[in-house]
Amino acid sequence: GALVYQYPRRTICKSGTSMRMECQAVGFQATSVAWYRQSPQKTFELIALSTVNSAIKYEQNFTQEKFPISHPNLSFSSMTVLNAYLEDRGLYLCGAKTGGARAEQFFGPGTRLTVL
Amino acid sequence: AQKVTQTQTSISVMEKTTVTMDCVYETQDSSYFLFWYKQTASGEIVFLIRQDSYKKENATVGHYSLNFQKPKSSIGLIITATQIEDSAVYFCAMREVAGANTGKLTFGHGTILRVHP
Repeated sequence: GALVYQYPRRTICKSGTSMRMECQAVGFQATSVAWYRQSPQKTFELIALSTVNSAIKYEQNFTQEKFPISHPNLSFSSMTVLNAYLEDRGLYLCGAKTGGARAEQFFGPGTRLTVL
Repeated sequence: AQKVTQTQTSISVMEKTTVTMDCVYETQDSSYFLFWYKQTASGEIVFLIRQDSYKKENATVGHYSLNFQKPKSSIGLIITATQIEDSAVYFCAMREVAGANTGKLTFGHGTILRVHP
């Protein structure tokens, strides 16, 4: 079956430091990866959409300079939160799907970021 | 711009009853995809059921079914014979055709379901 793993599951970092999180798709080809942040209030924010062999598209309020993403192949993506501050805390979710409009999107369990 | 609204913040039901969760959406696209996910206490997001806008028949998967009312831009989730383990946060989401290939989903704010014995 299709599975998405995320690592680490939880991380704590000091304010102003950076942390990297990873997303791995197993059992299918992750042509597209969407990175979301879920706030403590449970709302979802789309950070960026990454498609293999295409430019990464960032949503408003999110930049490559702050959230650089790598999507080098059809099974792996990573995102770094640079200079993390309190407002960056939350659950970072990776949603991966194959190509095609009707393809399912599978979510990883998320990386929970706490900033001290 | 697309928008998904879940007006029910939380619902409490007794075990083995039927519950309906509401969701309305806004989109300019004539074709789109609608999804329901649940988020467990651990944070895991689990796909439950989907409805493609061009399909008139309501989707059904196990004890989940949808009440798709396209003229009202409404996609309600119905859970029959609820179980304690159905307690979770339920999210309605939409993917427009324009974002279909990239996987961009717009989520509602979620409805907390508590199932009591």
